[in-house]
Amino acid sequence: GENVEQHPSTLSVQEGDSAVIKCTYSDSASNYFPWYKQELGKRPQLIIDIRSNVGEKKDQRIAVTLNKTAKHFSLHITETQPEDSAVYFCAATLNTGGFKTIFGAGTRLFVKA
Amino acid sequence: DVKVTQSSRYLVKRTGEKVFLECVQDMDHENMFWYRQDPGLGLRLIYFSYDVKMKEKGDIPEGYSVSREKKERFSLILESASTNQTSMYLCASSLSPSTKETQYFGPGTRLLVL
Repeated sequence: GENVEQHPSTLSVQEGDSAVIKCTYSDSASNYFPWYKQELGKRPQLIIDIRSNVGEKKDQRIAVTLNKTAKHFSLHITETQPEDSAVYFCAATLNTGGFKTIFGAGTRLFVKA
Repeated sequence: DVKVTQSSRYLVKRTGEKVFLECVQDMDHENMFWYRQDPGLGLRLIYFSYDVKMKEKGDIPEGYSVSREKKERFSLILESASTNQTSMYLCASSLSPSTKETQYFGPGTRLLVL
């Protein structure tokens, strides 16, 4: 089955610096890769996603890149702010009739003011 | 605005009890999911359903069952609760897979099994 590995598990950056979180997946049939942000005590919410026919997508300070050949994708946050502090989850989705989504273990991002 | 609700925010049960966790979504979504969230393990898929009365096992279905009798409601059942099922349980739903797969999460149920 699909397996998603996410690194690092914890990331600490200074406000204004960039943060990069990397994920790899195992099933080449995965075709949709969302990223979710979970603030402390709150539910995960989608922040950006990318499909397998696109190599890069950007939305203001966040961007995601996808390398299908290498089966890895990354989240880039530029000009980090304290409110970016949260747990970030990557995921890979397979179409098995319904959409089965496998999540990475999460990255806890701390942005120091 | 999509709304996903879960029947309880906090639940305390004893070992061996049968536990029902309910999830309701109000956006006519076809897909519904149950995850458990544990520190360092992320979100692990227990079961999901892509239609009424349809269900598929996720990665950790052992000790759990599910029921989807109506489109808006997806129930997770712990037949005989055990202490290793103490966890945060998150329900999610998504629209038809032919359009968009964004998952919308409920607030979570923190279950403690004593």
